[in-house]
Amino acid sequence: DQQVKQNSPSLSVQEGRISILNCDYTNSMFDYFLWYKKYPAEGPTFLISISSIKDKNEDGRFTVFLNKSAKHLSLHIVPSQPGDSAVYFCAASVKAQKLVFGQGTRLTINP
Amino acid sequence: GAGVSQSPRYKVAKRGQDVALRCDPISGHVSLFWYQQALGQGPEFLTYFQNEAQLDKSGLPSDRFFAERPEGSVSTLKIQRTQQEDSAVYLCASSKDSPNYGYTFGSGTRLTVV
Repeated sequence: DQQVKQNSPSLSVQEGRISILNCDYTNSMFDYFLWYKKYPAEGPTFLISISSIKDKNEDGRFTVFLNKSAKHLSLHIVPSQPGDSAVYFCAASVKAQKLVFGQGTRLTINP
Repeated sequence: GAGVSQSPRYKVAKRGQDVALRCDPISGHVSLFWYQQALGQGPEFLTYFQNEAQLDKSGLPSDRFFAERPEGSVSTLKIQRTQQEDSAVYLCASSKDSPNYGYTFGSGTRLTVV
Protein backbone atom coordinates (compact mmCIF):
# COMPACT_ATOMS: atom_id res chain seq x y z
CA ASP A 1 0.00 0.00 0.00
CA GLN A 2 1.25 3.43 -0.91
CA GLN A 3 1.24 5.38 2.35
CA VAL A 4 2.64 8.56 0.79
CA LYS A 5 1.33 9.67 -2.60
CA GLN A 6 2.34 12.37 -5.01
CA ASN A 7 -0.39 12.29 -7.63
CA SER A 8 1.24 14.67 -10.09
CA PRO A 9 4.16 13.05 -11.90
CA SER A 10 5.15 16.36 -13.44
CA LEU A 11 4.60 20.09 -13.13
CA SER A 12 5.66 22.94 -15.39
CA VAL A 13 5.87 26.51 -14.06
CA GLN A 14 7.05 29.76 -15.52
CA GLU A 15 10.11 31.35 -13.96
CA GLY A 16 9.17 33.86 -11.27
CA ARG A 17 5.78 32.31 -10.58
CA ILE A 18 4.80 30.09 -7.66
CA SER A 19 5.34 26.33 -7.78
CA ILE A 20 3.03 24.21 -5.64
CA LEU A 21 3.82 20.55 -5.14
CA ASN A 22 1.32 18.34 -3.35
CA CYS A 23 1.52 15.19 -1.28
CA ASP A 24 -1.10 13.04 0.44
CA TYR A 25 -0.60 10.42 3.12
CA THR A 26 -2.72 7.75 4.71
CA ASN A 27 -0.91 6.84 7.94
CA SER A 28 -2.15 9.06 10.77
CA MET A 29 0.82 7.96 12.89
CA PHE A 30 3.27 9.97 10.76
CA ASP A 31 4.68 12.73 12.93
CA TYR A 32 7.33 14.26 10.72
CA PHE A 33 7.30 15.23 7.07
CA LEU A 34 10.12 16.19 4.75
CA TRP A 35 10.72 17.35 1.20
CA TYR A 36 13.75 16.25 -0.79
CA LYS A 37 15.03 17.53 -4.11
CA LYS A 38 16.84 15.28 -6.56
CA TYR A 39 18.91 16.10 -9.62
CA PRO A 40 19.77 13.39 -12.17
CA ALA A 41 22.56 11.03 -11.13
CA GLU A 42 22.67 12.52 -7.63
CA GLY A 43 21.18 11.42 -4.33
CA PRO A 44 18.21 13.23 -2.79
CA THR A 45 19.04 16.45 -0.98
CA PHE A 46 17.07 17.57 2.07
CA LEU A 47 15.05 20.71 1.44
CA ILE A 48 12.64 21.46 4.28
CA SER A 49 10.69 19.63 6.96
CA ILE A 50 7.73 20.06 9.29
CA SER A 51 6.62 18.44 12.51
CA SER A 52 3.05 17.27 12.86
CA ILE A 53 2.51 19.78 15.67
CA LYS A 54 2.92 22.64 13.20
CA ASP A 55 0.95 23.64 10.14
CA LYS A 56 3.55 25.77 8.40
CA ASN A 57 7.32 26.03 8.10
CA GLU A 58 9.17 28.55 6.01
CA ASP A 59 12.76 28.71 4.82
CA GLY A 60 13.56 31.43 2.33
CA ARG A 61 11.69 30.77 -0.91
CA PHE A 62 10.36 27.44 0.38
CA THR A 63 7.29 26.96 2.56
CA VAL A 64 5.73 23.68 3.59
CA PHE A 65 2.10 23.53 4.69
CA LEU A 66 0.58 20.64 6.61
CA ASN A 67 -3.17 19.95 6.82
CA LYS A 68 -3.49 17.06 9.24
CA SER A 69 -7.25 16.73 8.97
CA ALA A 70 -6.92 16.26 5.21
CA LYS A 71 -3.68 14.27 5.54
CA HIS A 72 -2.17 16.59 2.97
CA LEU A 73 1.00 18.60 2.70
CA SER A 74 2.27 20.96 0.09
CA LEU A 75 5.51 22.67 -0.83
CA HIS A 76 5.41 26.21 -2.16
CA ILE A 77 8.36 27.68 -4.00
CA VAL A 78 8.19 31.38 -4.71
CA PRO A 79 9.57 32.82 -6.85
CA SER A 80 10.48 29.77 -8.93
CA GLN A 81 13.94 29.78 -10.49
CA PRO A 82 15.44 27.67 -13.30
CA GLY A 83 17.72 25.93 -10.77
CA ASP A 84 14.62 24.60 -9.03
CA SER A 85 14.03 22.21 -11.94
CA ALA A 86 14.41 18.76 -10.38
CA VAL A 87 12.39 15.84 -9.02
CA TYR A 88 10.81 16.56 -5.63
CA PHE A 89 9.98 13.82 -3.17
CA CYS A 90 7.88 14.14 -0.06
CA ALA A 91 8.63 11.74 2.75
CA ALA A 92 7.12 10.91 6.13
CA SER A 93 8.25 9.18 9.27
CA VAL A 94 6.97 7.83 12.57
CA LYS A 95 9.08 8.72 15.64
CA ALA A 96 12.23 9.44 13.64
CA GLN A 97 12.37 6.01 12.10
CA LYS A 98 12.68 5.07 8.45
CA LEU A 99 11.39 7.47 5.84
CA VAL A 100 8.48 6.55 3.57
CA PHE A 101 8.76 8.38 0.25
CA GLY A 102 6.23 9.39 -2.37
CA GLN A 103 6.79 8.64 -6.05
CA GLY A 104 8.13 12.09 -6.84
CA THR A 105 7.05 15.06 -8.96
CA ARG A 106 9.26 16.36 -11.75
CA LEU A 107 9.24 20.15 -11.64
CA THR A 108 10.30 22.08 -14.73
CA ILE A 109 10.78 25.84 -14.52
CA ASN A 110 10.46 27.51 -17.89
CA PRO A 111 12.30 30.75 -18.63
CA GLY B 1 35.36 12.70 2.70
CA ALA B 2 32.82 15.46 2.82
CA GLY B 3 29.88 13.39 1.67
CA VAL B 4 28.52 9.87 1.52
CA SER B 5 30.46 7.90 -1.05
CA GLN B 6 29.04 4.88 -2.86
CA SER B 7 30.81 2.48 -5.18
CA PRO B 8 30.57 1.38 -7.83
CA ARG B 9 28.43 4.08 -9.44
CA TYR B 10 27.20 1.63 -12.05
CA LYS B 11 27.09 -2.15 -12.01
CA VAL B 12 25.89 -4.51 -14.69
CA ALA B 13 25.37 -8.06 -13.46
CA LYS B 14 24.31 -11.18 -15.26
CA ARG B 15 21.25 -12.83 -13.83
CA GLY B 16 22.31 -15.20 -11.07
CA GLN B 17 25.53 -13.33 -10.29
CA ASP B 18 26.30 -12.07 -6.77
CA VAL B 19 27.01 -8.35 -6.28
CA ALA B 20 28.37 -6.22 -3.44
CA LEU B 21 27.64 -2.52 -3.14
CA ARG B 22 29.72 -0.33 -0.87
CA CYS B 23 28.83 2.72 1.17
CA ASP B 24 31.30 5.04 2.92
CA PRO B 25 29.29 7.26 5.25
CA ILE B 26 30.33 10.64 6.53
CA SER B 27 32.96 10.17 9.22
CA GLY B 28 31.40 10.00 12.67
CA HIS B 29 27.88 9.40 11.43
CA VAL B 30 26.20 6.87 13.68
CA SER B 31 23.19 5.96 11.59
CA LEU B 32 23.31 4.39 8.15
CA PHE B 33 20.38 3.54 5.88
CA TRP B 34 20.00 1.67 2.62
CA TYR B 35 17.19 2.48 0.20
CA GLN B 36 16.20 0.97 -3.15
CA GLN B 37 14.82 3.23 -5.87
CA ALA B 38 13.18 1.62 -8.87
CA LEU B 39 12.78 3.61 -12.07
CA GLY B 40 10.09 6.27 -11.74
CA GLN B 41 9.49 5.52 -8.05
CA GLY B 42 10.53 7.03 -4.76
CA PRO B 43 13.22 5.43 -2.60
CA GLU B 44 12.06 2.47 -0.53
CA PHE B 45 13.62 1.59 2.81
CA LEU B 46 15.72 -1.55 2.97
CA THR B 47 17.65 -1.56 6.24
CA TYR B 48 19.06 0.61 9.03
CA PHE B 49 22.23 0.43 11.16
CA GLN B 50 23.11 2.23 14.33
CA ASN B 51 26.87 1.89 14.51
CA GLU B 52 27.49 -1.81 13.78
CA ALA B 53 24.07 -2.98 14.94
CA GLN B 54 21.46 -3.69 12.29
CA LEU B 55 18.34 -2.42 14.02
CA ASP B 56 15.81 -2.77 11.22
CA LYS B 57 15.98 -5.00 8.16
CA SER B 58 12.26 -5.14 7.53
CA GLY B 59 12.60 -3.66 4.05
CA LEU B 60 14.95 -6.28 2.62
CA PRO B 61 12.86 -7.89 -0.15
CA SER B 62 14.20 -11.41 0.21
CA ASP B 63 16.83 -13.52 1.90
CA ARG B 64 19.03 -12.91 -1.15
CA PHE B 65 19.68 -9.44 0.27
CA PHE B 66 22.18 -9.05 3.07
CA ALA B 67 23.75 -5.95 4.62
CA GLU B 68 26.56 -5.50 7.08
CA ARG B 69 28.49 -2.78 8.83
CA PRO B 70 31.04 -4.71 10.88
CA GLU B 71 33.04 -1.82 12.33
CA GLY B 72 30.30 0.76 12.45
CA SER B 73 31.64 2.69 9.49
CA VAL B 74 31.68 1.29 5.93
CA SER B 75 28.65 -0.76 4.97
CA THR B 76 28.16 -3.35 2.25
CA LEU B 77 24.89 -4.40 0.69
CA LYS B 78 25.16 -7.84 -0.89
CA ILE B 79 22.68 -9.32 -3.31
CA GLN B 80 23.00 -13.00 -4.08
CA ARG B 81 21.75 -14.68 -7.27
CA THR B 82 20.59 -11.38 -8.76
CA GLN B 83 17.28 -11.26 -10.59
CA GLN B 84 16.00 -8.76 -13.15
CA GLU B 85 13.66 -7.22 -10.59
CA ASP B 86 16.70 -6.25 -8.53
CA SER B 87 17.58 -3.64 -11.15
CA ALA B 88 17.36 -0.29 -9.38
CA VAL B 89 19.39 2.50 -7.87
CA TYR B 90 20.61 1.62 -4.40
CA LEU B 91 20.98 4.66 -2.17
CA CYS B 92 22.91 4.89 1.06
CA ALA B 93 22.32 7.65 3.62
CA SER B 94 23.97 8.49 6.90
CA SER B 95 23.19 10.80 9.78
CA LYS B 96 25.04 12.07 12.82
CA ASP B 97 22.53 11.26 15.50
CA SER B 98 20.50 8.18 15.98
CA PRO B 99 17.82 8.28 14.90
CA ASN B 100 17.78 11.58 13.13
CA TYR B 101 16.18 13.20 10.15
CA GLY B 102 19.33 14.88 8.91
CA TYR B 103 20.11 12.27 6.34
CA THR B 104 22.82 12.86 3.78
CA PHE B 105 22.38 10.65 0.76
CA GLY B 106 25.07 9.31 -1.51
CA SER B 107 24.71 9.43 -5.29
CA GLY B 108 23.72 5.80 -5.39
CA THR B 109 24.74 2.68 -7.29
CA ARG B 110 22.73 1.92 -10.40
CA LEU B 111 22.43 -1.86 -10.70
CA THR B 112 21.29 -3.37 -13.97
CA VAL B 113 20.68 -7.11 -14.09
CA VAL B 114 20.72 -8.55 -17.59
